[in-house]
Amino acid sequence: IVLTQSPGTLSLSPGESATLSCRASQSVSNTYLAWYQQKRGQAPRLLIYDAFNRATGIPDRFSGSGSGTDFTLTISRLEPEDFAVYYCQQYGRSPITFGQGTRLEIK
Amino acid sequence: VQLVESGGGLVKPGGSLRLSCVASGFPFSVYYMSWIRQAPGKGLEWVGRIKSKTDGGTTDYAAPVKGRFTISRDDSKNTLYLQMNSLRAEDTAVYYCAREYYGHFDHWGQGTLVTVSS
Repeated sequence: IVLTQSPGTLSLSPGESATLSCRASQSVSNTYLAWYQQKRGQAPRLLIYDAFNRATGIPDRFSGSGSGTDFTLTISRLEPEDFAVYYCQQYGRSPITFGQGTRLEIK
Repeated sequence: VQLVESGGGLVKPGGSLRLSCVASGFPFSVYYMSWIRQAPGKGLEWVGRIKSKTDGGTTDYAAPVKGRFTISRDDSKNTLYLQMNSLRAEDTAVYYCAREYYGHFDHWGQGTLVTVSS
């Protein structure tokens, strides 16, 4: 399953809300979709799993939604530490695949 | 939970390298474990996984590495391995080990850099 993320880069200001999209080439079974945040020089960090469940310690500013082929990560009230690269990942069908990433940058 | 990779370095095309990932802070033997790589300036690519022994201990690999890479585990040492043979320039990447939980990755190591170059 190919995952296409949009936009490639999103420029916003702190306090604004961000909407990141992940579109799958085939339906992702059981909403087996996760979102990760990666800051420069660091390993990715799990944010959302099963499309809408927040991982441990993730603030409720992060929310996931969607099903089938269209999924969204929404980040409300952007904080300075939220500016990073975000990846979606599907695990409904082998092989596991990741999207190409969306870079969220400070405007 | 802590995952610590080691073994990366510079290797010539066609060469071999073995990466290790030592796990601590959780019952290593009951978890599936995966390797994921990231080429310089690029996105994430799943390399492969090994299931827990209770689920057969079998392995799955991504197409680009199948037949060249082998994942194994030593539960007595809480260690995951990635044996990489016939290395190519396109295998240059940071290699992460990650704990897999029902298909998603809830903990990652800090990564180890593998550079394939003559």
